[in-house]
Amino acid sequence: ILNVEQSPQSLHVQEGDSTNFTCSFPSSNFYALHWYRWETAKSPEALFVMTLNGDEKKKGRISATLNTKEGYSYLYIKGSQPEDSATYLCALRDSNYQLIWGAGTKLIIKP
Amino acid sequence: NAGVTQTPKFQVLKTGQSMTLQCAQDMNHEYMSWYRQDPGMGLRLIHYSVGAGITDQGEVPNGYNVSRSTTEDFPLRLLSAAPSQTSVYFCASSGGGGYTFGSGTRLTVV
Repeated sequence: ILNVEQSPQSLHVQEGDSTNFTCSFPSSNFYALHWYRWETAKSPEALFVMTLNGDEKKKGRISATLNTKEGYSYLYIKGSQPEDSATYLCALRDSNYQLIWGAGTKLIIKP
Repeated sequence: NAGVTQTPKFQVLKTGQSMTLQCAQDMNHEYMSWYRQDPGMGLRLIHYSVGAGITDQGEVPNGYNVSRSTTEDFPLRLLSAAPSQTSVYFCASSGGGGYTFGSGTRLTVV
C-alpha cells in the first residue's frame, strides 16, 4: 500500500528567503511522483511529474528532486515571494492512474 | 485550449433534490476523475474513469453516479442531495502526466 507523508505541515518563511520541504514514501512501487501547488480558493496546479531516481525538475524559482532508493522528494523554493504562499501537495501515481495524496505543506510567506 | 471546464461554479440544493455537475475537457485525456474537498481534509476521490465507457468507484462513491459516454465529458450526478454532500467538487483529467483540475463547484445542500 502506498503511503505519502509530507513535512512540515506548515511553514512560515520570510520574503526573500529560500526554503524546502519533504515528501517521503516507504515504497518505490509507483509510476510517478507529482507535485502540485494549491492556492486558497483556487484549484490545484501541477508543478512537476517525476519518474526516475535522481530526477531533477525546475520551473523558475521552484525545483524538485527525487530519490526513490531512499524514499523522498524535496521541493525547493529560491527567494520566496508572497505569491508563493500556497499549500504544496505531493502525490504518488499508481498503475491505475490513481493518485495517493499527501496531506500537504502549507507555506506562508511573511513580507 | 479551455482545459477542464466545470459547471456550475456555485449551486444551492434542497435536501432530496438531484442535480448533475458537468465536467468537460478538450485535451483528449483518457483519465478523468471527481474529487470532493471538505474543510480540514484533503482531496477525496469519488469516481474515476480510464476511458469512454469505463468508470469505477473511488474512496467516497456513495450518493453519486457517473457515466463516460465520450472522452470529453464526465458528469457527476447527485441522486438525492444530503447536507453531508455540502462540499467543493473538483474534476480532473490526465493524459498520463500531471492532472489538470477544473476550477471547482461549490455545492451547498440545505
